[in-house]
Amino acid sequence: GESVGLHLPTLSVQEGDNSIINCAYSNSASDYFIWYKQESGKGPQFIIDIRSNMDKRQGQRVTVLLNKTVKHLSLQIAATQPGDSAVYFCAELTGSARQLTFGSGTQLTVLP
Amino acid sequence: DAGITQSPRHKVTETGTPVTLRCHQTENHRYMYWYRQDPGHGLRLIHYSYGVKDTDKGEVSDGYSVSRSKTEDFLLTLESATSSQTSVYFCATSAGAHEQYFGPGTRLTVT
Repeated sequence: GESVGLHLPTLSVQEGDNSIINCAYSNSASDYFIWYKQESGKGPQFIIDIRSNMDKRQGQRVTVLLNKTVKHLSLQIAATQPGDSAVYFCAELTGSARQLTFGSGTQLTVLP
Repeated sequence: DAGITQSPRHKVTETGTPVTLRCHQTENHRYMYWYRQDPGHGLRLIHYSYGVKDTDKGEVSDGYSVSRSKTEDFLLTLESATSSQTSVYFCATSAGAHEQYFGPGTRLTVT
């Protein structure tokens, strides 16, 4: 079936460095791609999204890039901070009821 | 914070017993969703609702049923719990745009 997946399950970065989390997707019919952050013991929290007709979108310290040619999505976090340590999920939005299909997640650990 | 609460937050039950999880929202969002989260998997959609009394199946709906009699409440029922349904369950709501807001989760253990 169609799916959204992640290249790496874990990522460790030094505090202050930039982080890049990658995601591959297979469903070309999705009209939005979304990144969620999940801290331990909590529900996922919306970070940023990108519409399928865009290549790049920037937020506060985060940038999402979409490469439709190779069906690849990435989340860049600038100047990574300890509070950024969490699991990050990419998800694609489809269907009339706006259902989300999630990838398996990447654990980001920020080292002091 | 979209004002989503889930109850109970933790539950241990025995195989074969019925279990109902409740999701309550205060935002008057039209759409509500139930997901489960297991190690090695992202969140997987169980059922969703696009209005009062309007529900549909998601990716992993076998063994689950839902009901929505009021806008603010979405119930997930395991008619006869099995060990494979041990998981963390998340409710989410949406006003119909692309952002979903998630509740704090319910940790269910079936022994």
